[in-house]
Amino acid sequence: QSALTQPASVSGSPGQSITISCTGTSSDIGNYNYVSWYQQHPGKAPKLIISDVTSRPSGVSSRFSGSKSGNTASLTISGLQAEDEADYYCSSYATNNDYVFGTGTKVTVL
Amino acid sequence: QVQLVQSGAEVEKPGASVKVSCKASGYTFTSYYIHWVRQAPGQGLEYVGVIYPSAGTSFTAQKFRGRVTLTWDTHTSTVYMELSSLRSDDTAVYYCAREQPHTCNFDYWGQGTLVTVSS
Repeated sequence: QSALTQPASVSGSPGQSITISCTGTSSDIGNYNYVSWYQQHPGKAPKLIISDVTSRPSGVSSRFSGSKSGNTASLTISGLQAEDEADYYCSSYATNNDYVFGTGTKVTVL
Repeated sequence: QVQLVQSGAEVEKPGASVKVSCKASGYTFTSYYIHWVRQAPGQGLEYVGVIYPSAGTSFTAQKFRGRVTLTWDTHTSTVYMELSSLRSDDTAVYYCAREQPHTCNFDYWGQGTLVTVSS
């Protein structure tokens, strides 16, 4: 399985909205609605922020939202805050019990 | 509260093996899957494999087949990942993570275990 493709970095000013794309294939994102997004601060374990393409786990800010079209999933962070500065990874279930992660995107709050 | 507590950092020589543990608490161990994910320094996340305690089976990503052994002890609610024939590019933080069956997402993660492979 090849890694899902994400932009290396995205930046925005406080209060703005940013969108991170995650491009896969018909063997993963395009074939399953099992796309998740994880936030990772330096030195910490990843944290689940979006599951099943669009669902937010309990306790996750409503500023985070997800979507999918074809083989590409997206994460939008609205009302960008300093605490959102972190690395973000998408993940998708793939064929035969496998999972694939994205290449990761560093979000910088200007 | 749900916790996944992993064993401490390890330093091993090339060609050796390492065994990392992940002790689960705060939930019914057999009701959830436990996955393993690794992250090389400054790099992204990479999927290693999963154990299904209730079914008594496991799955390992193709890249790691033949080198990774996943085991578990239901009595102590502990999962183990053993990686053999270590190479320098196996240097990474190894995480365990929990999945509620058939949800395909990882809702709780261990703190990570740094495995360093160096001669």
